[in-house]
Amino acid sequence: GAVVSQHPSRVICKSGTSVKIECRSLDFQATTMFWYRQFPKQSLMLMATSNEGSKATYEQGVEKDKFLINHASLTLSTLTVTSAHPEDSSFYICSAWDLANYGYTFGSGTRLTVV
Amino acid sequence: GENVEQHPSTLSVQEGDSAVIKCTYSDSASNYFPWYKQELGKRPQLIIDIRSNVGEKKDQRIAVTLNKTAKHFSLHITETQPEDSAVYFCAASDNNNNDMRFGAGTRLTVKP
Repeated sequence: GAVVSQHPSRVICKSGTSVKIECRSLDFQATTMFWYRQFPKQSLMLMATSNEGSKATYEQGVEKDKFLINHASLTLSTLTVTSAHPEDSSFYICSAWDLANYGYTFGSGTRLTVV
Repeated sequence: GENVEQHPSTLSVQEGDSAVIKCTYSDSASNYFPWYKQELGKRPQLIIDIRSNVGEKKDQRIAVTLNKTAKHFSLHITETQPEDSAVYFCAASDNNNNDMRFGAGTRLTVKP
């Protein structure tokens, strides 16, 4: 089946630094990638939707200058958390729509801890 | 945009009993309703989904019902087992490559 590879799985960074998270669709073309954030014991909250070759669409309340999304190819989307702060510590997970299998495929998630 | 509400937030049942989780959605254009099971720190795992052209779907001990008129859908787990214990999320989208919104989640505990 469709696979989305997400890296890194865990990252610890210092406050003020930037962290890049990658999601790659391995055997299908992901024209659209969805980025979610999940705080402990809470649901997955959609942050933004990225479309290959165009600007991402951000949900209300999500700072586009802080969470930079790039979807430069049909198989790669990246989320960069810039100037990270402890409150950005969360579980970030991507999801892509797989037209062939007619379903969403999730990455394995990234646990970000900002110290 | 779409708003998905899910109840209950926690559910505890005895092994062998049934469990029912209910969700409502707001956008009448939504036509794809998946259910996910999530273990702590892991990606959501699709357990069953239903599209708007059917009212019920069953897969062994798991079933989902959809009432488009009332805009609600439910997950039914029969003969629950301890390994069914997890957090379950419902979601809704219009499945035309548009975003998917999740319910708040239900923590199911199955007591042996």
